Amino acid sequence: QKEVEQDPGPLSVPEGAIVSLNCTYSNSAFQYFMWYRQYSRKGPELLMYTYSSGNKEDGRFTAQVDKSSKYISLFIRDSQPSDSATYLCATNYNFNKFYFGSGTKLNVKP
Amino acid sequence: NAGVTQTPKFRILKIGQSMTLQCTQDMNHNYMYWYRQDPGMGLKLIYYSVGAGITDKGEVPNGYNVSRSTTEDFPLRLELAAPSQTSVYFCASRQGGTGELFFGEGSRLTVL
Repeated sequence: QKEVEQDPGPLSVPEGAIVSLNCTYSNSAFQYFMWYRQYSRKGPELLMYTYSSGNKEDGRFTAQVDKSSKYISLFIRDSQPSDSATYLCATNYNFNKFYFGSGTKLNVKP
Repeated sequence: NAGVTQTPKFRILKIGQSMTLQCTQDMNHNYMYWYRQDPGMGLKLIYYSVGAGITDKGEVPNGYNVSRSTTEDFPLRLELAAPSQTSVYFCASRQGGTGELFFGEGSRLTVL
């Protein structure tokens, strides 16, 4: 079983739509949860980072963690064409090793 | 701000050849990582280092070697290249006590 499972998509939405990206993880010891955004032919960059269950909001982005069901989500409000990228969820239980999902490719159409 | 710099950006190797992917960071981070990214497979950890002189294996270390003689540099050595090593390789670093990884722009390697 993979440590982190993520729907690869692709996901195509019209500009202004609300986007929901989801991952599940297998190990209840995982404590830290992250979302990285990766533009084509670039390295990933950190978008959101959270430690506990619940919601964390940053502008149009909301990260949600439900430890009881081992489920993590990223919501994007008022999506823009500039949000078109691959989104990777990640988790770890010590800072030495990070486990990444396979990534969901998002396309926001103008 | 340079951040994490990887060279080369692209390389084509023949089966059995060897090469080194270079990675350097200017943020004085103790922790450095090498990942490979295959289409639809996410990022797989090859090796990581928690400081100069200390390295450890990740999920997919076979066919690779690393060294960490300075804080800034973390080269990845491919010995006897195989087609299965065709991938995009990312180097990353982070500050101790944080979960944020800073990635380079990647090195695209093709083994024919």
